[in-house]
Amino acid sequence: ETGVTQTPRHLVMGMTNKKSLKCEQHLGHNAMYWYKQSAKKPLELMFVYNFKEQTENNSVPSRFSPECPNSSHLFLHLHTLQPEDSALYLCASSQGDGYTFGSGTRLTVV
Amino acid sequence: AQSVTQLDSQVPVFEEAPVELRCNYSSSVSVYLFWYVQYPNQGLQLLLKYLSGSTLVKGINGFEAEFNKSQTSFHLRKPSVHISDTAEYFCAVNNDYKLSFGAGTTVTVRA
Repeated sequence: ETGVTQTPRHLVMGMTNKKSLKCEQHLGHNAMYWYKQSAKKPLELMFVYNFKEQTENNSVPSRFSPECPNSSHLFLHLHTLQPEDSALYLCASSQGDGYTFGSGTRLTVV
Repeated sequence: AQSVTQLDSQVPVFEEAPVELRCNYSSSVSVYLFWYVQYPNQGLQLLLKYLSGSTLVKGINGFEAEFNKSQTSFHLRKPSVHISDTAEYFCAVNNDYKLSFGAGTTVTVRA
């Protein structure tokens, strides 16, 4: 357990489904992040939140919708995804130069 | 913007042999550099980081890395690997307040 908890660990969804990924940290970190990890590609930063405010959207398609209700929780709402969105989605939090990652959600879009 | 290049995508190595994973970065300003390890079906775990000071950084599990400013490199080394070191390794640079990662190096340790 790293201190950053992601649920679910695995998710299979159809292209017409709506689902949400959840990330939770109780490390007292100010910033939270969503990264996408696809096979054979570098980790891609998707969204950054600082003190609950979104500070970066890295040209992510609108079918991905983040939500940060407080500094401990981060969600990624998914709708009408494509098969190429299948990947490992990693959440991270940070305070200064210390970053902590969750174990990820393995998403498969069918 | 800062970026990271990991020069080897796959590194096979025998148990108890040394290993070196190469990482080069590009940046015009001072950097913070990191190495992370990812075991199968898990997230990223921090091995070590360079913020300032001594250029030789020691991390967990017997790993160390050397920051070389003139060569813009931050290579990771371990003098003797174990089967359990089989994993993917990522070099990263702190770009403002977010991390930019290399493409990763898969290390496979064989008996």
